[in-house]
Amino acid sequence: NAGVTQTPKFQVLKTGQSMTLQCAQDMNHEYMSWYRQDPGMGLRLIHYSVGAGITDQGEVPNGYNVSRSTTEDFPLRLLSAAPSQTSVYFCASSADSRNYGYTFGSGTRLTVV
Amino acid sequence: GENVEQHPSTLSVQEGDSAVIKCTYSDSASNYFPWYKQELGKGPQLIIDIRSNVGEKKDQRIAVTLNKTAKHFSLHITETQPEDSAVYFCAASSKGYQKVTFGTGTKLQVIP
Repeated sequence: NAGVTQTPKFQVLKTGQSMTLQCAQDMNHEYMSWYRQDPGMGLRLIHYSVGAGITDQGEVPNGYNVSRSTTEDFPLRLLSAAPSQTSVYFCASSADSRNYGYTFGSGTRLTVV
Repeated sequence: GENVEQHPSTLSVQEGDSAVIKCTYSDSASNYFPWYKQELGKGPQLIIDIRSNVGEKKDQRIAVTLNKTAKHFSLHITETQPEDSAVYFCAASSKGYQKVTFGTGTKLQVIP
């Protein structure tokens, strides 16, 4: 039982490049989300999904796209990377985030130069 | 939307002393309040949670209290140990929608 798996762990991008951060969970959780963590700002919600085929925006969605074609996978796409997107990105899943806590992945540290 | 404030941002205690971290929330509809511990280089890990129909919950050396009237909740760690050193996050979630809002975190240092 791997929990939540994020790849890659580290990534350096040039401004304007695109990439996809991968997230997979094996707990059959319906709810998945992406957060970014910046110093002094806690965890800010980018996008979330309450089930396959359903996604919605969080607090800071600009510059990011998501899709949820299966229960297991929830990739985050950066369309045209900017230095402001330098951050640590966490994927999390829950059976129901209204009543149960998250299981987080180990994070992806992204640097945009 | 929901706003969660967390204090203090840093906290240093001597080993064996108690540590208290406080959070306030703005949305009276919030009814689930988890706490997470994040060690260096890792993702946050759920350590304890409380629901709005409960005023206090305890698990060994950690406890959480909730005051719905004042809209604040606190994490209490007793008999602190060096391995308690980490960043702690509070969060709030409403029954009505699937958005979890986090506080800005408290860096706890336990001095041996």
